[in-house]
Amino acid sequence: AQKITQTQPGMFVQEKEAVTLDCTYDTSDQSYGLFWYKQPSSGEMIFLIYQGSYDEQNATEGRYSLNFQKARKSANLVISASQLGDSAMYFCAMRVLTRSGSARQLTFGSGTQLTVLP
Amino acid sequence: EAQVTQNPRYLITVTGKKLTVTCSQNMNHEYMSWYRQDPGLGLRQIYYSMNVEVTDKGDVPEGYKVSRKEKRNFPLILESPSPNQTSLYFCASSLSQGLINSPLHFGNGTRLTVT
Repeated sequence: AQKITQTQPGMFVQEKEAVTLDCTYDTSDQSYGLFWYKQPSSGEMIFLIYQGSYDEQNATEGRYSLNFQKARKSANLVISASQLGDSAMYFCAMRVLTRSGSARQLTFGSGTQLTVLP
Repeated sequence: EAQVTQNPRYLITVTGKKLTVTCSQNMNHEYMSWYRQDPGLGLRQIYYSMNVEVTDKGDVPEGYKVSRKEKRNFPLILESPSPNQTSLYFCASSLSQGLINSPLHFGNGTRLTVT
């Protein structure tokens, strides 16, 4: 079974600085996808970025980038130039593709609460 | 606007009183799912549906029912709610569960309190 671990329950960062949110995963499948979601205090879940296990380049979306280290099974989210609006809970998630070609459910980590300080 | 709509946003009920949380998506997505979110546990899948009339249990299905009679709707039913079902619930959809890079699109959540 796949598992996602986010070891940082809470993180603080100064406005305009970069911050890295850690995510490690465990799966025996070779094909999988990694996702990051943002949940602001209003509660909605916002998709941020995706990385496929066979992607050779690290994914980037604006100020978000994913530091993907396949051998270490880590998929850390890097937020550059933090803004006050980045304060939120961040979830890492994974979906695996089995050998039969079916995709399993999206499995979530427990989340990291990021607070951006002015 | 492409979206997943779930209602109500907030619900307070008493133990044993049947309730339904509605979910509708306008993106013609095949896959729909229900999650519950509890502090320290992240999101856990309750039920999911690969397509119309096809539903299956997730990780925490006990005490819940679902149906998928139409592609756009996927209601969550609590036949006899109990206090341990107090949680934040999310409905989500994606184009296809078979596409590994297909992100889930979430509704705004339903905060349920069972007293």
